[in-house]
Amino acid sequence: DAKTTQPTSMDCAEGRAANLPCNHSTISGNEYVYWYRQIHSQGPQYIIHGLKNNETNEMASLIITEDRKSSTLILPHATLRDTAVYYCIVRVAGGSEKLVFGKGTKLTVNP
Amino acid sequence: EPEVTQTPSHQVTQMGQEVILRCVPISNHLYFYWYRQILGQKVEFLVSFYNNEISEKSEIFDDQFSVERPDGSNFTLKIRSTKLEDSAMYFCASSKNRGRIYGYTFGSGTRLTVV
Repeated sequence: DAKTTQPTSMDCAEGRAANLPCNHSTISGNEYVYWYRQIHSQGPQYIIHGLKNNETNEMASLIITEDRKSSTLILPHATLRDTAVYYCIVRVAGGSEKLVFGKGTKLTVNP
Repeated sequence: EPEVTQTPSHQVTQMGQEVILRCVPISNHLYFYWYRQILGQKVEFLVSFYNNEISEKSEIFDDQFSVERPDGSNFTLKIRSTKLEDSAMYFCASSKNRGRIYGYTFGSGTRLTVV
C-alpha cells in the first residue's frame, strides 16, 4: 500500500471548515483513498473514501487532485466533537483487507 | 445505527493467563477483524476472518493468538499465555464487503492490562 504523509496536528475554530491534507504521491491507479478518525481512545470510525472523483457524504467531503497524488478531507462546519486523530489510508479495494494506520493528524477544534 | 459491541470494556489479567476478548459484529456483516493499539502507538492490524477461516494475519498474530466464531453472532480473540507487552486496546471490526463500499465498523475496544 502507498505511503501517506499527513501533518502531525492542526487547529480549527468551531463552526469553520477544517481542511485536512494528505499526500500520497506514490499511489497507484487501483488504490483508493480512505479516511478514518479516532476520537480519544475509541475505535476508528470510517468517514469517506474515493478513487479519483470528489466525494461527499453526511460527514465530510473528499477532494482528490487530478494527478491523485494528494487529497483533502473537508469537515464543512467543525464542532468540538470533531476533535480527533484523522487517518488518511491508501489501499487497493479488494486487495489486502488490512488497514495500515499511520500517525494521522490530530485535529483540535477550539471554541 | 448498527454497532459492533465488545466485551469487556476493560480486562486485567496476570501474566501467563489466558484471556478471551469478545465481539458481536454487525449482524449482516461477513468479514471480521481484530486490531490492537498499544498506548501512544499506531493502530495495528492483527487478523481478518471470513467464512470461518483466517484470511489474513500479521506478524503480531503468532501462535499465542487465535480467533473463533463459536456461533452465529460472536467473534472472539484468545490470547493463550499473556505477556506484559500484550497490554493494549483491542478493537474488533466488521464489514459487509471487505470495506470496499462502507468501510469497516469498529467497536469501542477492550482495554487489556497484563500485570
